Amino acid sequence: NAGVMQNPRHLVRRRGQEARLRCSPVKGHSHVYWYRQLPEEGLKFMVYLQKENIIDESGMPKERFSAEFPKEGPSILRIQQVVRGDSAAYFCASSPENGAFFGQGTRLTVV
Amino acid sequence: GNSVTQMEGPVTLSEEAFLTINCTYTATGYPSLFWYVQYPGEGLQLLLKATKADDKGSNKGFEATYRKETTSFHLEKGSVQVSDSAVYFCALSGRGAQKLVFGQGTRLTINP
Repeated sequence: NAGVMQNPRHLVRRRGQEARLRCSPVKGHSHVYWYRQLPEEGLKFMVYLQKENIIDESGMPKERFSAEFPKEGPSILRIQQVVRGDSAAYFCASSPENGAFFGQGTRLTVV
Repeated sequence: GNSVTQMEGPVTLSEEAFLTINCTYTATGYPSLFWYVQYPGEGLQLLLKATKADDKGSNKGFEATYRKETTSFHLEKGSVQVSDSAVYFCALSGRGAQKLVFGQGTRLTINP
C-alpha cells in the first residue's frame, strides 16, 4: 500500500556503523509494526509500537536494535554496530486494526 | 503459540491452470486469516482476508475460505495468468491490532 512510506529504499552500511530506517504510517493509523525478511524466507515480527509506546518487542534482538514511534514524526528502527547478519529487508506496516498495510521496505546491506 | 504452515514451493504452472496453495494454522482463540502477495523487489500487498469461520475472502479471482474444522485457509484461483507470478504468504493475527504471524511463503511462477 503506497500509504506506508519507508526510507531509504536501499541502505548500505559498513560493519560497525549505525543504520536508521524510517517509516511513516498511513495517515490516521496509530499502530506500527516492524518485520524482517531474510532472503528466501518469510517475514519475522520484530516490534509493535503505538504512539510513544512499545507494545510488544518480543521479536527484537536483545542488543543493538531499538525502535521508537514518537508523538510527531516517523517511526525509527535503529541498528547499532551493524554486522553482516543484519543484511535483510526490513518492512514496516501500519494498521488501525487487523490487516496491516505494508511499506515497500528498506533493503539493508552490510559490507 | 500461533503458527502458520504453507505448502512448500516453488510452484510452476502454465497459464490458465487451476491454482491451490495450501495453508494450515495453529492458534488459540479465533484468529483472523490473511493472504499477502509480494512481487519482486516490492513490499507485501494484502490480497484477501477472512475474520471468522466459514468466511470467504476473495480478490482478483483469488479465493480462500476460513475452515475452522480443518484449521485451513487454502488459496485458490481458477485460471492463473503470467502476472500472478509472485511469492504468496499466508498469515494470521489475533483479535485486535496484533502482530501478524507469517508462513514461509510460496513462490509461484506462471509460464505462458
